[in-house]
Amino acid sequence: AQKVTQAQTEISVVEKEDVTLDCVYETRDTTYYLFWYKQPPSGELVFLIRRNSFDEQNEISGRYSWNFQKSTSSFNFTITASQVVDSAVYFCALRNRDDKIIFGKGTRLHILP
Amino acid sequence: EPEVTQTPSHQVTQMGQEVILRCVPISNHLYFYWYRQILGQKVEFLVSFYNNEISEKSEIFDDQFSVERPDGSNFTLKIRSTKLEDSAMYFCASIGLSTDTQYFGPGTRLTVL
Repeated sequence: AQKVTQAQTEISVVEKEDVTLDCVYETRDTTYYLFWYKQPPSGELVFLIRRNSFDEQNEISGRYSWNFQKSTSSFNFTITASQVVDSAVYFCALRNRDDKIIFGKGTRLHILP
Repeated sequence: EPEVTQTPSHQVTQMGQEVILRCVPISNHLYFYWYRQILGQKVEFLVSFYNNEISEKSEIFDDQFSVERPDGSNFTLKIRSTKLEDSAMYFCASIGLSTDTQYFGPGTRLTVL
């Protein structure tokens, strides 16, 4: 079965705090891709990162960082020094060889001023 | 930077009417997708399209739905007789041979009254 689980439905933190969004995936394939997308209130899906299954290196992009651990099938996303503009719904997603993307249910992040 | 575009941004229709949602994928992309997001829920795969035919479709994509690439640029999703439960945001996405990332359009919000 292919599945993406985002156990945190909603998170609220105060601005400048760090926050980690959890993502756990299930797949039978050895080759797959993992993604994070941001959906601001305007509704569009903004691509944040892609990671393939052979690359377990963690990545940092500004205040964003991602921790990919195949041993635990997790691909967690951390925002450091959060800002109000980070408020959005964040989706973790999985793509196998058959190309379609399977999304998690999303985590709604509120950054409070 | 090239992007996927979708029109209209918002479509309101009466139940039972036909609607056509339009997408212009990135010009050198070859694989095209439609996804649906009911308000407050996760993004769900509808259909993938390659080489002028459907590659895969989900259970949601029943006989009321069809896709077409009528010319070299547009990719359309038609719903023949809309139902109230078709109200959702519809996202088009495309991917090329040289990339592993699906790029999403801004979405069309369909409201069925």
